[in-house]
Amino acid sequence: GIQVEQSPPDLILQEGANSTLRCNFSDSVNNLQWFHQNPWGQLINLFYIPSGTKQNGRLSATTVATERYSLLYISSSQTTDSGVYFCAVVGQTGANNLFFGTGTRLTVIP
Amino acid sequence: DAGITQSPRHKVTETGTPVTLRCHQTENHRYMYWYRQDPGHGLRLIHYSYGVKDTDKGEVSDGYSVSRSKTEDFLLTLESATSSQTSVYFCAISVGATYEQYFGPGTRLTVT
Repeated sequence: GIQVEQSPPDLILQEGANSTLRCNFSDSVNNLQWFHQNPWGQLINLFYIPSGTKQNGRLSATTVATERYSLLYISSSQTTDSGVYFCAVVGQTGANNLFFGTGTRLTVIP
Repeated sequence: DAGITQSPRHKVTETGTPVTLRCHQTENHRYMYWYRQDPGHGLRLIHYSYGVKDTDKGEVSDGYSVSRSKTEDFLLTLESATSSQTSVYFCAISVGATYEQYFGPGTRLTVT
């Protein structure tokens, strides 16, 4: 399967700060999604972004498919942004399952 | 909300006992998936289904079986639970032409 690497593994921010999370993947993909897993364990869809740039409020994401990476930007972070952020991809062959990275754990302190 | 429920939400069972987890969806999506989440591994695919009675194995399928007799239900069975199957289990569906995936709330399973 496709290898997905996320960095940094852990990130601690002061409330109001900005951050960039990175996702590298090892092969061409049909699908790339970003998820937020909140402290209660729920997986929340943030972006479906196999290429290009999208924005949703304080969050935005960019995927450069030709260079096999994606970035998630969080601006003006809030304590509710805390949790684990996962990048996941679907390859161009085989089943349509997602291959996940190991996540970036974000802690926002007031 | 993608209309996915999982039951039970929490379960403690003993080694060697059979366990069945249920995933239910309300929107008749064709594809359904079972993943497990373990520390340091993200989520990994166990089995998936592409229609009624159509299933296939994923990355970590050993010790698990699945069944899908109705579009809305996808069952995951641990035929003889082991401690290595202690995990959080997530069901997912894929939606539309993009196959974007949405996840259920998860089931926390502890095998003692």
